[in-house]
Amino acid sequence: EADIYQTPRYLVIGTGKKITLECSQTMGHDKMYWYQQDPGMELHLIHYSYGVNSTEKGDLSSESTVSRIRTEHFPLTLESARPSHTSQYLCASSFPGHANTGELFFGEGSRLTVL
Amino acid sequence: AQSVAQPEDQVNVAEGNPLTVKCTYSVSGNPYLFWYVQYPNRGLQFLLKYITGDNLVKGSYGFEAEFNKSQTSFHLKKPSALVSDSALYFCAVRDLSSGSARQLTFGSGTQLTVLP
Repeated sequence: EADIYQTPRYLVIGTGKKITLECSQTMGHDKMYWYQQDPGMELHLIHYSYGVNSTEKGDLSSESTVSRIRTEHFPLTLESARPSHTSQYLCASSFPGHANTGELFFGEGSRLTVL
Repeated sequence: AQSVAQPEDQVNVAEGNPLTVKCTYSVSGNPYLFWYVQYPNRGLQFLLKYITGDNLVKGSYGFEAEFNKSQTSFHLKKPSALVSDSALYFCAVRDLSSGSARQLTFGSGTQLTVLP
């Protein structure tokens, strides 16, 4: 099994709160990703990183921000949560360099509900 | 640009019968193709991948997929379905000639329900 961890698994908060979703991997992967997924729906890439101090926006516009200060850690932050941010957020990582065939390893997801 | 299509939102099959979940793709060059499965309230799990070589790829839990270049398809199959196979299945593609090849493109998902 892949060693990629997301916390919290479930979070219910009120509008206007700041939240951070944590994602950590112990596999030494350089590439990490955040996807947003509504229940039973397709995945949308919102952020990705090729390594430390490298972050890029994905295909779907998101008000969230990310940071990559350490290789193993890729947290996602919402400064002021709104009900429209209610969704499942999936973190993933992939192998470095030429060995990277694009296969992604996913965490279990963080389901966010904003009231 | 790379894209992938899963034409069926829902597939129902009786337990013990063969199952097929369809996927077609579009890329400029040679593709890497993947199938992932997602159980309720879980992340995605890798099932199998096609990189090169044999067109029939075998993966986890008895699943297999056949790469068909002429039809640009990569259908997922299993000879005998189990109720526990019920889940959401995603096909994904990566175009090797895209330059950045930054990430996979996922299909919209197919909900497989295996009926007892």
